[in-house]
Amino acid sequence: GDSVTQTEGLVTVTEGLPVKLNCTYQTTYLTIAFFWYVQYLNEAPQVLLKSSTDNKRTEHQGFHATLHKSSSSFHLQKSSAQLSDSALYYCALSSNNRIFFGDGTQLVVKP
Amino acid sequence: GGIITQTPKFLIGQEGQKLTLKCQQNFNHDTMYWYRQDSGKGLRLIYYSITENDLQKGDLSEGYDASREKKSSFSLTVTSAQKNEMAVFLCASSGDRGAETLYFGSGTRLTVL
Repeated sequence: GDSVTQTEGLVTVTEGLPVKLNCTYQTTYLTIAFFWYVQYLNEAPQVLLKSSTDNKRTEHQGFHATLHKSSSSFHLQKSSAQLSDSALYYCALSSNNRIFFGDGTQLVVKP
Repeated sequence: GGIITQTPKFLIGQEGQKLTLKCQQNFNHDTMYWYRQDSGKGLRLIYYSITENDLQKGDLSEGYDASREKKSSFSLTVTSAQKNEMAVFLCASSGDRGAETLYFGSGTRLTVL
């Protein structure tokens, strides 16, 4: 079946340094789109990035991700982490009319 | 823009009690979802509905019922609350099943005594 793997449950980074959150996936159906959702404390999850095109970089709010179907990956990166980026990040894919989420990565940005 | 409203924000029940969570959206979206959020376990799909009066089971439907009597509303019933299902329940909607972005409500936190 389809699944999304986020290998890190917690990532801690110092403000101003680069950060990378890993996301890999398995899919047996036609996958329509890939997403990163972000959930700030006590708020609802909201979409951060969306992509459906192989090898195309997608950017939003300083974050970027590139879908690589050859390696089944959709990692999220930012060149300079900010304190306000501290949140829970979910990678997700939509496939066969279902949406599959990873377990989430808690990002903590320290001063 | 639109909004998804979940009620109540906090729900406290007794073990074995039947409890209902409600969700309203004004996006005019066709598809609505109920997810359960447990710490460290991601978002797990309980039920979804692609149109009024449609119900589809997700991976975690056992112990839950759902109802979609109107396009704008989607309710979830915990048929017999258990202490191990204390979690945050998130409602979401999308314009096109799977292809479009999900819009989430702010959640209902369930506590079972």
